[in-house]
Amino acid sequence: GIQVEQSPPDLILQEGANSTLRCNFSDSVNNLQWFHQNPWGQLINLFYIPSGTKQNGRLSATTVATERYSLLYISSSQTTDSGVYFCTGSSNTGKLIFGQGTTLQVKP
Amino acid sequence: DAEITQSPRHKITETGRQVTLACHQTWNHNNMFWYRQDLGHGLRLIHYSYGVHDTNKGEVSDGYSVSRSNTEDLPLTLESAASSQTSVYFCASSASVAGELFFGEGSRLTVL
Repeated sequence: GIQVEQSPPDLILQEGANSTLRCNFSDSVNNLQWFHQNPWGQLINLFYIPSGTKQNGRLSATTVATERYSLLYISSSQTTDSGVYFCTGSSNTGKLIFGQGTTLQVKP
Repeated sequence: DAEITQSPRHKITETGRQVTLACHQTWNHNNMFWYRQDLGHGLRLIHYSYGVHDTNKGEVSDGYSVSRSNTEDLPLTLESAASSQTSVYFCASSASVAGELFFGEGSRLTVL
């Protein structure tokens, strides 16, 4: 089946720093999404981004579907950005595939 | 605003008891999913439904069942709870197959 690799697995930042999270797929996927799981366990939709670039405040994402990867940019990080970031995609059969996540800790 | 809600948010039960976790969405989405999340395993699909009276097994369906009698609800039943089913359970829905996915807030289940 399709494999999803997220990097880095863990990241520690000082407040105010910028970061880039990456998601690689072993095969073409549809409907790529980025989620943030906050320290309380809630899964929050960040971007639905099958292709192209989107921005929402300090966060932006770019998906290059032809090269099977997506990037999530976090600028001027804040402590509230801490948590786990997941990317997901779906195979042609509709099955959703989750990455193992990037755990981000932003220190004040 | 449309939403997806799960109940109960926390439950403690004993081995062998039947447990039902409720999931209700107000988006009128056809597709609904149940996942469990455990340390070291990420999110794993338990069951899913593409519409009323449709149910399908996911990758970790043993010991679980679902039924879809209407568009809004997909209850997850553990017929005889086991300690291995201690986990956090997430319900999700989407408007189309493999479309944008929306999650509920999760239900933490402890089986003693």
